Amino acid sequence: QVQLQESGPGLVKPSETLSLTCTVSGGSISSYYWNWIRQSPGKGLEWIGYIYYTGSTNYNPSLKSRVTISVDTSKNHFSLKLRSVTAADTAVYFCARAYSSSSSGCFDPWGQGTLVTVSS
Amino acid sequence: SYELTQPPSVSVSPGQTASITCSGDKLGEKYASWYQQKSGQSPVLAIYEDSKRPSGIPERFSASNSGNTATLTISGTQAMDEADYYCQAWDSNTVVFGGGTKLTV
Repeated sequence: QVQLQESGPGLVKPSETLSLTCTVSGGSISSYYWNWIRQSPGKGLEWIGYIYYTGSTNYNPSLKSRVTISVDTSKNHFSLKLRSVTAADTAVYFCARAYSSSSSGCFDPWGQGTLVTVSS
Repeated sequence: SYELTQPPSVSVSPGQTASITCSGDKLGEKYASWYQQKSGQSPVLAIYEDSKRPSGIPERFSASNSGNTATLTISGTQAMDEADYYCQAWDSNTVVFGGGTKLTV
């Protein structure tokens, strides 16, 4: 079955750019909607955005000005860049697949998550 | 912006029925999904399209969605069901999650 694995630096300095990659195994990325979701320590889930394999994107309005999600179908992975980070961006970042971008869209499966700490 | 409201915590005795609510304006007109997140783990899809169970989710998990409230019900709750539960819906092409409910068994 499809598995997702996040990777990237666990520590980012304030004002710099957070960069993560999600590698998809056991299936092709060339379908479905590929999402980033984060969870601040001890808090709830926050959707960051998605990318379709064609490259079309949709972002959470609250993060839109700082977020870019891209896809590399040749490597079967997609990536997240979050610019100008602050301590408020410290969180566990998950990648997840969605079958749809419409009202019925849900997330399954999820990656194991990776903790990113913003600190100098 | 659209909001989904869940009770912070729910307690249930083993073998009893647990109900977790998720409230939002006209939520019944949208699809609700539910996720289970055990301590230190990633969320797992438990319910989608209001009441459908993915393969591998036990039959004791059920759900409904009407009016302004979606409800996740766990019948014959087991110790292994202790977890955080999140509801999720789409509004204006944006994903919204509830704040989560800690279920204590």
